[in-house]
Amino acid sequence: EAQVTQNPRYLITVTGKKLTVTCSQNMNHEYMSWYRQDPGLGLRQIYYSMNVEVTDKGDVPEGYKVSRKEKRNFPLILESPSPNQTSLYFCASSLSQPAYNEQFFGPGTRLTVL
Amino acid sequence: AQSVTQLDSQVPVFEEAPVELRCNYSSSVSVYLFWYVQYPNQGLQLLLKYLSGSTLVKGINGFEAEFNKSQTSFHLRKPSVHISDTAEYFCAVTLGYNDMRFGAGTRLTVKP
Repeated sequence: EAQVTQNPRYLITVTGKKLTVTCSQNMNHEYMSWYRQDPGLGLRQIYYSMNVEVTDKGDVPEGYKVSRKEKRNFPLILESPSPNQTSLYFCASSLSQPAYNEQFFGPGTRLTVL
Repeated sequence: AQSVTQLDSQVPVFEEAPVELRCNYSSSVSVYLFWYVQYPNQGLQLLLKYLSGSTLVKGINGFEAEFNKSQTSFHLRKPSVHISDTAEYFCAVTLGYNDMRFGAGTRLTVKP
């Protein structure tokens, strides 16, 4: 089954404790992206990757890191999480750049930073 | 600057009634337009998209949307909704190669 998987689905942590949210897709997509979803703000892009070893900032990159060492994986790293990073996070992938390609979304990771 | 405006944050409607979810965008360049749906506790799924051609676009689950360039709108419609259509709906606009903007979302609640 074609899908985007994220782990963990739920995470409660404390300020400053480094964490990683994994994302994997099995569709051989070139493009991957991370979004955060906050009430009243919709989805905002954090980082994206056009292909292996190619990543770039989205609209809200501060406090986040990513890497793309393999085509299928695109982990999101919070080196020192803060309460304002409490949010619902989605990973997405598409065949190529999303201007006209459908994006496939993972189920989401709900993160709470205390 | 707000690129995508979804005019209603919540839309309650009774089952089998028609519904319209409104989306306006601001752009001076050609755009591609999308509607995504998010069912409870799930990721987003594509409902439909407009890239070019006919301005009336049909999507899954009986939804359709009409691109109106002069009014910069892309409203989503369904003639008769079901309980299972209860979800959050997001309008999205691509303004460039990798510049996709999502609206704030409209929560559709279908009541029996």
